[in-house]
Amino acid sequence: GDSVTQMEGPVTLSEEAFLTINCTYTATGYPSLFWYVQYPGEGLQLLLKATKADDKGSNKGFEATYRKETTSFHLEKGSVQVSDSAVYFCALSDTQPGGAAGNKLTFGGGTRVLVKP
Amino acid sequence: GAGVSQSPSNKVTEKGKDVELRCDPISGHTALYWYRQSLGQGLEFLIYFQGNSAPDKSGLPSDRFSAERTGGSVSTLTIQRTQQEDSAVYLCASSRQGYNTEAFFGQGTRLTVV
Repeated sequence: GDSVTQMEGPVTLSEEAFLTINCTYTATGYPSLFWYVQYPGEGLQLLLKATKADDKGSNKGFEATYRKETTSFHLEKGSVQVSDSAVYFCALSDTQPGGAAGNKLTFGGGTRVLVKP
Repeated sequence: GAGVSQSPSNKVTEKGKDVELRCDPISGHTALYWYRQSLGQGLEFLIYFQGNSAPDKSGLPSDRFSAERTGGSVSTLTIQRTQQEDSAVYLCASSRQGYNTEAFFGQGTRLTVV
């Protein structure tokens, strides 16, 4: 079956530091890949996505590139802020266009990131 | 409403009681999903609705769990004879129909079985 593995946290950084969260996946088909973020006290929000190999998703200074050869989708940000403190989830959706199965997501375990001033 | 609304936000129940969790999706979103977030298992898919039908129930952990959706809108997740291992945050998400459309999540219902 499908699975997503991401680095365990917590990850503690100082402001303006470089952030990388590793994510690898296994899938039976050709999945789409996502990063979701959960800020304290809030619901899950889509951060970025990529739907095919070599696509780069980006948002709010975060980037992730779909690497089919290494089955990875690592999240990076060059200079983090205190407001980036959150739990980050890597996820995949292994459904096909026009399929009837919906876009259910398979999530990694989440990585808590704490950015200190 | 502006987003996915779930109620109650917190629920404490005694072992063996039944509970109902409600999800009100974004208007116009035909797809609706239930997930469970627990300490030991992370985020797990439970069930998917397209309109009022549920073509994928593969994530429901036992026959104590059921869900329905009426009018293509509100959904209710029911857990019968609750057990302590049912304690978790239950998340609902909705999206438009289509390939890889963005799923919008509610803030969840935290269920504690004592």
